[in-house]
Amino acid sequence: DAKTTQPPSMDCAEGRAANLPCNHSTISGNEYVYWYRQIHSQGPQYIIHGLKNNETNEMASLIITEDRKSSTLILPHATLRDTAVYYCIVSARQSGNTPLVFGKGTRLSVIA
Amino acid sequence: EPEVTQTPSHQVTQMGQEVILRCVPISNHLYFYWYRQILGQKVEFLVSFYNNEISEKSEIFDDQFSVERPDGSNFTLKIRSTKLEDSAMYFCASRTPGTLYSPLHFGNGTRLTVT
Repeated sequence: DAKTTQPPSMDCAEGRAANLPCNHSTISGNEYVYWYRQIHSQGPQYIIHGLKNNETNEMASLIITEDRKSSTLILPHATLRDTAVYYCIVSARQSGNTPLVFGKGTRLSVIA
Repeated sequence: EPEVTQTPSHQVTQMGQEVILRCVPISNHLYFYWYRQILGQKVEFLVSFYNNEISEKSEIFDDQFSVERPDGSNFTLKIRSTKLEDSAMYFCASRTPGTLYSPLHFGNGTRLTVT
């Protein structure tokens, strides 16, 4: 079962930052936080991951609290194409064939 | 950028029939997965595959399901005798091994409709 809690839905105005929260209060020391998204009915797409430090890539930033019990995915300038379901997943480091377990995610609607 | 490709995009079959869903993972990837998503529900793990054998499987992946890598490029999911409740999107995914994290790359799925 998913070990994370996310709001079921959020809205964001186009061009503004989208901040998607995730609660993972039972995270273990060896577990990472992964974010994926699913646009319409396409296959999920990797966004970013982190252990304890904040991370940034060309798609997004990931802010993890010091106690690691929660995190926030930031899309700095949301566009209509960012409308999707965003999944926050907690898992041990993905070695071997450890599968990812998806929860219900947050449905982000970017509004013009 | 290399992609995971899945065929067909939509498959309609009658209950009780066998179906084979096909996937071509990214060429240098060695770990392969099948997931499914029933309409309106979560993406669910079915099975993972490495070195020509199943690594892990979920409770969903019962004796009606099988996977195979028949050659160096294809990865298939067979459902022996389809049921109405097998109607879903089926996603194939692959990743490359390594000490650093390598993300799962998903195909765009096959929509299976069982009538």
